[in-house]
Amino acid sequence: EVQLVESGGGLVQPGGSLRLSCAASGFTFSNYWLSWVRQAPGKGLEWVGNMKEDGSYTNYVDSVKGRFSISRDNPKSSLYLQMNSLRAEDTAVYYCARDGVGGYFDLWGQGTLVTVSS
Amino acid sequence: ETVLTQFPGTLSLSPGERATLSCRASQSVRSRYFAWYQQKPGQAPRLLIYGVSSRATGIPDRFSGSGSGTDFTLTISRLEPEDFAVYYCQQYGNSPRTFGQGTKVEIK
Repeated sequence: EVQLVESGGGLVQPGGSLRLSCAASGFTFSNYWLSWVRQAPGKGLEWVGNMKEDGSYTNYVDSVKGRFSISRDNPKSSLYLQMNSLRAEDTAVYYCARDGVGGYFDLWGQGTLVTVSS
Repeated sequence: ETVLTQFPGTLSLSPGERATLSCRASQSVRSRYFAWYQQKPGQAPRLLIYGVSSRATGIPDRFSGSGSGTDFTLTISRLEPEDFAVYYCQQYGNSPRTFGQGTKVEIK
């Protein structure tokens, strides 16, 4: 089955760190750009960042630049999101998503909830 | 950043009716790089339309997309019970990729 499965969410204090993981299966992971997209409770969707197939390039939305870092391990078919200096406004469900040609998202994980609160 | 404004915010319709959802961009979207997603409560979004008018795999033909430049439309020709959900537009022609705030299609 073609799928993405996120893990690693939880409760973290402001200023803390968390690392999310996304495990892929059912497709050739190394052939695709992958993205992280988040959704604050009751709100819309926000693209966070993405990484090229070979890991040589990343791109981030301004609000997370310098705090979040995306990495991948192609042999393990896994994508990661390292989140540092977390703020209350980073509270959201974080989705791993596969990039289609040009930048739409044709496959989504089920999401993992990150709550930043003291 | 390209801001996408969806309207109406909520659409109240009955099964079998036609739904027309609109999305307006604050600047022209490059290269027809425009998509629509459906999201049901507690679920991840699902891709419906990409490239303005191409249906994703497995999407029924009652869903159609149109538009260009700054104005885009998602049409559901006859609403089925499973179509009541929130719909998001997305542009990926300009950096960064952005989404609209969503239109909720609810049962009247």
